[in-house]
Amino acid sequence: KNEVEQSPQNLTAQEGEFITINCSYSVGISALHWLQQHPGGGIVSLFMLSSGKKKHGRLIATINIQEKHSSLHITASHPRDSAVYICAGVFDTDKLIFGTGTRLQVFP
Amino acid sequence: DSGVTQTPKHLITATGQRVTLRCSPRSGDLSVYWYQQSLDQGLQFLIQYYNGEERAKGNILERFSAQQFPDLHSELNLSSLELGDSALYFCASSVGWYTEAFFGQGTRLTVV
Repeated sequence: KNEVEQSPQNLTAQEGEFITINCSYSVGISALHWLQQHPGGGIVSLFMLSSGKKKHGRLIATINIQEKHSSLHITASHPRDSAVYICAGVFDTDKLIFGTGTRLQVFP
Repeated sequence: DSGVTQTPKHLITATGQRVTLRCSPRSGDLSVYWYQQSLDQGLQFLIQYYNGEERAKGNILERFSAQQFPDLHSELNLSSLELGDSALYFCASSVGWYTEAFFGQGTRLTVV
C-alpha cells in the first residue's frame, strides 16, 4: 500500500528558529513534492526532488531514498512562513499520494 | 500567480445537481491533475490527463468524470452531488510527468 506520513502534525516556533518537518513513505517513489498551503487555501509547489538536496532561499529539502525519508528545513523562520506544509510522493504513473500536512505557526 | 486558472472560484449548489469545474493549465503544460481536499480526507488525487488522454486514476467516484480537450484545458464533471462532495477541488499542471506541478487557486464547492 502506498502511504506517506508526516510529522509533526502541528508545530509552533518563535521567529528566527530553525524548523524541520519530516516525511516518510512506505514503498518506493519516483519523486517527492513539498507543497505549501496558506490559510486562504492556495497551494504552492516548493520543491520536487528525487535525490539529494535542493535549496531555495531559506528553504532546504532533502531526500534519502534508501531510508524512504525526506525533510523540509526552514532556516531563520518568519511569521510569514506560517502555513500548512504537505509532502506528496509520486508513485507509479505519476499518482500523487499526500501526507496529512504539518501546520506551522511562527510567532514574532 | 502559478499560471493555472480555475473557474469558478466558488460554487454553491443543491444535492442531486451536476456541476462542471474548469481548468486552464500553464502554457506549454501537457499534464493536468485534479485533486479533492475535504476536511476529513485531506488532499486526494482524483485523475490525471496527459495530452488529452487519461493517464492515471486515483480515488475518483463513478459520479465524477473528467476530460482534457485538444486545447489542453480540462473539465471535471461532478454529478448527483451529495453533501459529502463539498470540498476544495484543485487542478494542477506540469510539462510532463515526474516534473514540478503548479496548482490553481482551487474551486470551493459547497453542496447544500
